Amino acid sequence: AQSVAQPEDQVNVAEGNPLTVKCTYSVSGNPYLFWYVQYPNRGLQFLLKYITGDNLVKGSYGFEAEFNKSQTSFHLKKPSALVSDSALYFCAVRPMDTGRRALTFGSGTRLQVQP
Amino acid sequence: GAVVSQHPSRVICKSGTSVKIECRSLDFQATTMFWYRQFPKKSLMLMATSNEGSKATYEQGVEKDKFLINHASLTLSTLTVTSAHPEDSSFYICSPPGQGASEAFFGQGTRLTVV
Repeated sequence: AQSVAQPEDQVNVAEGNPLTVKCTYSVSGNPYLFWYVQYPNRGLQFLLKYITGDNLVKGSYGFEAEFNKSQTSFHLKKPSALVSDSALYFCAVRPMDTGRRALTFGSGTRLQVQP
Repeated sequence: GAVVSQHPSRVICKSGTSVKIECRSLDFQATTMFWYRQFPKKSLMLMATSNEGSKATYEQGVEKDKFLINHASLTLSTLTVTSAHPEDSSFYICSPPGQGASEAFFGQGTRLTVV
């Protein structure tokens, strides 16, 4: 079975500072990894994904994520945070080799960017 | 990406009544739809998978008789919460399955409040 861990319930950062939202995963075989953002009472919006190849993945709104196979991590990063980035962020995994199509989500991390 | 319309976005109902949530795929045909439930400050949990032309598949621990799922056509999947109780209050989200490396897309979600 696969699992995703987001160790921080909340991350606070000042506007203009870099941000990191942590994610580690456990999966049999190779993973497809995803980050989604959720605003209040809304569905999830796709930010970026890792499939294969370059470990640094660039996504929407200036976000990027670094895949680290040895540490089984896929941390979300942004060089300069905006107040509008404040939202709930989910990391998710889909095993590459099992044919399972549903995503397994982490518990979510609330990002609070202070002006 | 796939466009999914979920309705209603919010609903308040009395205990004991039933509520139907609709999920429509607007620009593609969906033979399968995932239904997730999100508890406050918690991750999304897969409840069930609806299948066009056959019975839904429920995850372990999900009451089939309480959460009726129907996949009436290639563009419509519905979730009916029957005999609702306050503990059924939650945020429900539908999502057509991505496959392989493709990202999943999500409906806007439905905030159900049972009073």
